[in-house]
Amino acid sequence: AQSVTQLGSHVSVSEGALVLLRCNYSSSVPPYLFWYVQYPNQGLQLLLKYTTGATLVKGINGFEAEFKKSETSFHLTKPSAHMSDAAEYFCAVTNYGGSQGNLIFGKGTKLSVKP
Amino acid sequence: DGGITQSPKYLFRKEGQNVTLSCEQNLNHDAMYWYRQDPGQGLRLIYYSQIVNDFQKGDIAEGYSVSREKKESFPLTVTSAQKNPTAFYLCASSIGGANVLTFGAGSRLTVL
Repeated sequence: AQSVTQLGSHVSVSEGALVLLRCNYSSSVPPYLFWYVQYPNQGLQLLLKYTTGATLVKGINGFEAEFKKSETSFHLTKPSAHMSDAAEYFCAVTNYGGSQGNLIFGKGTKLSVKP
Repeated sequence: DGGITQSPKYLFRKEGQNVTLSCEQNLNHDAMYWYRQDPGQGLRLIYYSQIVNDFQKGDIAEGYSVSREKKESFPLTVTSAQKNPTAFYLCASSIGGANVLTFGAGSRLTVL
């Protein structure tokens, strides 16, 4: 069975500071990994995804994530936070060939950005 | 522009009433999904459909029903059997096994 753990339900950073949102997964097969962002009262939007190939994945809005198999992690980072980054972020995992019914979401991390 | 339209955005229901949430997509996606979102709980899958006239239960299907009579439409009915229906409901779609979901803006249901 697959699972996702997001460490920290709330993260607060100052504007211009590094953003680091943690995600660890459990999967018995090679995973596909995703980060989605949700702004208040809206749906989710894909930030980036890892399927195969390069382990450092770049996404929209300056975010990137690195797949580390040895650590079963897929942490999301951004070098310099902007006020517009305040949102909730979800990590998700599935596997190649799996139906979308197998996409497992973490519980989310709410990011606050202080001026 | 292509996308997913959910309606209504806000809905209030009295206990014992069934309500239906609409989800329409013009992306020509084969697969459609319904998720329930509660604070601090992430997203939980209610039902999904990979093809017209076929759908599968997700993790929390009890008290919900769906239909998929057309490729572009996947309505969700919250029945009176759902004991705690107050939540934010998200509809999504994908191109079959591409694994990337496109989400609608959500419908917030409140039981009075």
